[in-house]
Amino acid sequence: EAGVTQFPSHSVIEKGQTVTLRCDPISGHDNLYWYRRVMGKEIKFLLHFVKESKQDESGMPNNRFLAERTGGTYSTLKVQPAELEDSGVYFCASSQEGVGGYTFGSGTRLTVV
Amino acid sequence: GQNIDQPTEMTATEGAIVQINCTYQTSGFNGLFWYQQHAGEAPTFLSYNVLDGLEEKGRFSSFLSRSKGYSYLLLKELQMKDSASYLCAVRAPYSSASKIIFGSGTRLSIRP
Repeated sequence: EAGVTQFPSHSVIEKGQTVTLRCDPISGHDNLYWYRRVMGKEIKFLLHFVKESKQDESGMPNNRFLAERTGGTYSTLKVQPAELEDSGVYFCASSQEGVGGYTFGSGTRLTVV
Repeated sequence: GQNIDQPTEMTATEGAIVQINCTYQTSGFNGLFWYQQHAGEAPTFLSYNVLDGLEEKGRFSSFLSRSKGYSYLLLKELQMKDSASYLCAVRAPYSSASKIIFGSGTRLSIRP
């Protein structure tokens, strides 16, 4: 089966600009998660979708971050306006409840300059 | 609160055995995961423990003691390709699809 796909793999933007990251989960996985790894720190949870609903958004850092999952398939994470501290690697993961582990995508490396 | 501790770095020799420890203090427990992550790649699922004891999967084994808040990942017959970061993660308690919370990871270097 196809894995979790993230696009783009890299993005370099200027402070104040907008960036949209996309995640395509494994087909049939209702659960979709966004995580972020800032340089030198642990991978931190951002939010969790069950189908199109936000189950847990306790990790979203502030209102500059907006995540959507229209139709319960792919998800987007928009950062607007981007700040320098938003730089890092953004990972998406998906899972099927009660089955196995969480499958991660290769991440989007975001650099804000 | 959530606190997951593991050593920052470890070094081991090809062909040997290494044990990576993880201790956790979390508000609720719903399973512990180990992931492997090579530089620039996605974390890859290695193992899952929810009950006390040892889970073996090929060269890799994982142990859990819930009463001690302790787990370890045991890697046998080390190969150069095992050089990677190993991430311990605990699942939040509210469901079997809850978020998982990661430790900072242990960077394992294998020398010939």
